[in-house]
Amino acid sequence: EAGVVQSPRYKIIEKKQPVAFWCNPISGHNTLYWYRQNLGQGPELLIRYENEEAVDDSQLPKDRFSAERLKGVDSTLKIQPAELGDSAVYLCASSSRGQGASPPGELFFGEGSRLTVL
Amino acid sequence: RKEVEQDPGPFNVPEGATVAFNCTYSNSASQSFFWYRQDCRKEPKLLMSVYSSGNEDGRFTAQLNRASQYISLLIRDSKLSDSATYLCVVNKNTGGFKTIFGAGTRLFVKA
Repeated sequence: EAGVVQSPRYKIIEKKQPVAFWCNPISGHNTLYWYRQNLGQGPELLIRYENEEAVDDSQLPKDRFSAERLKGVDSTLKIQPAELGDSAVYLCASSSRGQGASPPGELFFGEGSRLTVL
Repeated sequence: RKEVEQDPGPFNVPEGATVAFNCTYSNSASQSFFWYRQDCRKEPKLLMSVYSSGNEDGRFTAQLNRASQYISLLIRDSKLSDSATYLCVVNKNTGGFKTIFGAGTRLFVKA
């Protein structure tokens, strides 16, 4: 079974440029997460989807970040314009639980997209 | 104060040693607990869930103390391959579940 697939693996851009990351979760996983991980820190949640609905985007910097999961399967995270402080690894994860009153079980992560903003 | 706190380490131990990691969480609404392992420049992967009764998986033992809001991970007979960052993870339910990761504890096992 294929795992969570992310692209690109690496991206180097200059500040003020836009960037987009794509994620395809494990088939059948209705809950999808975008996390950001800075060096030496744990992953921090940006947004969580249940199917196509964003149920927790409280940590998403909405002035420059946007995300979508139009058909409830794959998802895109966009940053426009990027700032130096956005340099990090952007991790996508999915789980088969975590909908409504059901607590999340295991999160399966993709390999991440490493962003460097110059 | 962070919601999930861990000693960042690094812990440097020889092969065969026993090492313990601690984690504290601040929100009493926390309901389920996990340890994830993250190798250098790789993604986090589930190591084990943590149950109130304590649970063991081979050389790894996890404990939960809800009264003290404290989670631990014990690794016995450390192997070189155990070198990684260990992330404490808490699910809390505050009108919807939120999965929160600690900053991780780095372990280096030396020959």
